[in-house]
Amino acid sequence: DTGVSQDPRHKITKRGQNVTFRCDPISEHNRLYWYRQTLGQGPEFLTYFQNEAQLEKSRLLSDRFSAERPKGSFSTLEIQRTEQGDSAMYLCASSGLLENSPLHFGNGTRLTVT
Amino acid sequence: KQEVTQIPAALSVPEGENLVLNCSFTDSAIYNLQWFRQDPGKGLTSLLLIQSSQREQTSGRLNASLDKSSGRSTLYIAASQPGDSATYLCAVRLDTGRRALTFGSGTRLQVQP
Repeated sequence: DTGVSQDPRHKITKRGQNVTFRCDPISEHNRLYWYRQTLGQGPEFLTYFQNEAQLEKSRLLSDRFSAERPKGSFSTLEIQRTEQGDSAMYLCASSGLLENSPLHFGNGTRLTVT
Repeated sequence: KQEVTQIPAALSVPEGENLVLNCSFTDSAIYNLQWFRQDPGKGLTSLLLIQSSQREQTSGRLNASLDKSSGRSTLYIAASQPGDSATYLCAVRLDTGRRALTFGSGTRLQVQP
């Protein structure tokens, strides 16, 4: 069990550019989540996958955001035409299929939009 | 809409003290409640998960209680140590079939050696 891995750890981009983040969950976990966290706040839910199916999406996930999990393993989160308000820590988590399986979080990708 | 509040926002205690962190939520129709720890610049580590039918859970020096009807949970840390210094977050999952968690803003704890 190597834990949840996220890449890159940090990303600095200019406003208007597109960025993509990757998450590799714990290998036997079927459920994968994306959250966003700004300084001093708790994480906010973005989206949830069970295997390759995207089952939940938050209203926070505007048209500029898209997430995929094509083979039910790793996931990508893309933000198009980034805005300064997108600056945040993007956290990925995974869990097993049991209903009360705890979430295991990665260390996040910190995005700074200049 | 579920709102989760954590009080206090920050807490500083001397090593060895017992302490209580508070979490309240507005919608009592929850499926479970989790307590997490977050170290600076890191992800979250799950500490305790309490199902809606349970009253408390214990792990080592940590004890979490849940009073669903009043919308409250507490995290009790016994004999605090400097290594306990971190931000503690509670999160609730509603009993709607959805898996999204709603987090509080956390309590930043510093344990002075």
